[in-house]
Amino acid sequence: DADVTQTPRNRITKTGKRIMLECSQTKGHDRMYWYRQDPGLGLRLIYYSFDVKDINKGEISDGYSVSRQAQAKFSLSLESAIPNQTALYFCATSDFGQGEAGELFFGEGSRLTVL
Amino acid sequence: QQQVKQSPQSLIVQKGGISIINCAYENTAFDYFPWYQQFPGKGPALLIAIRPDVSEKKEGRFTISFNKSAKQFSLHIMDSQPGDSATYFCAASGMDDYKLSFGAGTTVTVRA
Repeated sequence: DADVTQTPRNRITKTGKRIMLECSQTKGHDRMYWYRQDPGLGLRLIYYSFDVKDINKGEISDGYSVSRQAQAKFSLSLESAIPNQTALYFCATSDFGQGEAGELFFGEGSRLTVL
Repeated sequence: QQQVKQSPQSLIVQKGGISIINCAYENTAFDYFPWYQQFPGKGPALLIAIRPDVSEKKEGRFTISFNKSAKQFSLHIMDSQPGDSATYFCAASGMDDYKLSFGAGTTVTVRA
């Protein structure tokens, strides 16, 4: 089983719908992140959380919200999806101070299409 | 505005050739510079990383060169193999929080 699991892997939805992307991890890491990948723009940070009670905005948080339900779970919500939120979304974890400092461990991605 | 500028967007190299990807940054607070490798349908994975106290780091066929004064760093893939075909992202972060800023990515295709 993957250490960082994202669901759903693919989702097609319509403009205005509420969407939730879920992430769970078995790595025991405190830090969790949501990134968005777009062609030609790389990976951009949406939100991050350094522990269960900590939520921080990233570069592109507008139109998104997150919830850290437990150390192992971090969900991303689009309250009212719009077409320019069509992208590949990645959840990642890291364990500050362990191993290669700052290494991110990514899930396999959730491809979201907003029509 | 991207804090890390990466080039080229894509490159094609023959098997056995050298692939070179370049990145530049402006934020002098950056002091951790990793490269991530992403295969189609997968998430990125750490390939190699460097800190500014060294000018070069080599792991197998992959080498990072770092020029602190120019605020540039590059990835060299020696003896490129078809299995190296992937998208490569450079990134940078400060020591305190490891919030990585990624480059736009380079798609490398190695022809057999």
